[in-house]
Amino acid sequence: GESVGLHLPTLSVQEGDNSIINCAYSNSASDYFIWYKQESGKGPQFIIDIRSNMDKRQGQRVTVLLNKTVKHLSLQIAATQPGDSAVYFCAENIGGAGSYQLTFGKGTKLSVIP
Amino acid sequence: EAGVAQSPRYKIIEKRQSVAFWCNPISGHATLYWYQQILGQGPKLLIQFQNNGVVDDSQLPKDRFSAERLKGVDSTLKIQPAKLEDSAVYLCASSLVFFGTSGGASDTQYFGPGTRLTVL
Repeated sequence: GESVGLHLPTLSVQEGDNSIINCAYSNSASDYFIWYKQESGKGPQFIIDIRSNMDKRQGQRVTVLLNKTVKHLSLQIAATQPGDSAVYFCAENIGGAGSYQLTFGKGTKLSVIP
Repeated sequence: EAGVAQSPRYKIIEKRQSVAFWCNPISGHATLYWYQQILGQGPKLLIQFQNNGVVDDSQLPKDRFSAERLKGVDSTLKIQPAKLEDSAVYLCASSLVFFGTSGGASDTQYFGPGTRLTVL
């Protein structure tokens, strides 16, 4: 979602519940999307990616869904754990095939309640 | 496998001073990126290198920022002179880009821990 200045959208979930983090992307020509997790004081960490010819991809405890019709991306985390607490960014490749230039969204802060 | 290394981790300077950041990418990664991340925002690409050549520097404020990757491995990013609005975390990322026979490419960017710059 959108954020203003320092005020990141925040999602609070109970430990063990599933989390869904949403992202609206801007460019209908984007062909590659990535979710990153960023913990405090660290660089972004790759979680999962998806190409535009797919609408769903699963990893370990994570699933990414892509809806190109409405330019929407979501990250689902199953059985959320305290270690999942972080800021999550979606990123889109706007450079086209053969060129990788990522544009990042503004992030969503996930807080896991033990 | 060692990750992307950056130094220093923290830097505090006064406005109009100069500063330099260093990045050592993952071994064998041809592509290197510098990003600026202002507090509360996502990273913004400043410059992208492929080996020692610049692929894209359209968002680099060239009147004060410069970057180089002379031997196609390590890279430095410099700011001279610094302004208050340059306070941010500067992230370096690298990727192993390969191009498939069909013309497609695959690229996952791996980030370093960043350098937090405070300009007073």
